[in-house]
Amino acid sequence: AQKVTQAQTEISVVEKEDVTLDCVYETRDTTYYLFWYKQPPSGELVFLIRRNSFDEQNEISGRYSWNFQKSTSSFNFTITASQVVDSAVYFCALSALNTDKLIFGTGTRLQVFP
Amino acid sequence: DARVTQTPRDKVTEMGQEVTMRCQPILGHNTVFWYRQTMMQGLELLAYFRNRAPLDDSGMPKDRFSAEMPDATLATLKIQPSEPRDSAVYFCASGLSLLAGGERETQYFGPGTRLLVL
Repeated sequence: AQKVTQAQTEISVVEKEDVTLDCVYETRDTTYYLFWYKQPPSGELVFLIRRNSFDEQNEISGRYSWNFQKSTSSFNFTITASQVVDSAVYFCALSALNTDKLIFGTGTRLQVFP
Repeated sequence: DARVTQTPRDKVTEMGQEVTMRCQPILGHNTVFWYRQTMMQGLELLAYFRNRAPLDDSGMPKDRFSAEMPDATLATLKIQPSEPRDSAVYFCASGLSLLAGGERETQYFGPGTRLLVL
């Protein structure tokens, strides 16, 4: 069975703080894909990143970075120097190679206060 | 900038009425997904299509929900009759699925239809 766990339900930080959102996944497949989506207060789901299971390199995109560790089945997301505009619900998701379906975590609500 | 479009954006209806939600996937995408989001259940997959063929609708209440793709540019989700517990945000997403062994593409989501059944 596949599963994605986002244990942090809600995180509150003050602007300019760094924050890490945790994502732990379970799968028996050797080939799979991991995703992060952002859902701002406006409601749409915005794609942030896709990573396949053979690529364990960390990725940085501006203030965003992702740490993929197969040994701990984790795909954590860090926002450096957070801003109020980062306030949103962030979802981690998993997809196996033999299916198009995404398995979503329950999401982490991030609130960044000025 | 290609986007998934959904109509209507908001819908208020009375219990028992039929509701039809429409989705236009990104041109060239061959998979379409319908999700429902509620506070209690989070994001649930209702149904999905690949090359217009329904592949999985196990998440959908069969007695009242139906999903179709009349053509490659239109997907519909219908609820008949609607009930208050159907109140939720319904998202459509599209993606490009290659045959087994291919790279997995990303699912891109539409803005959602916010449904309120009174």
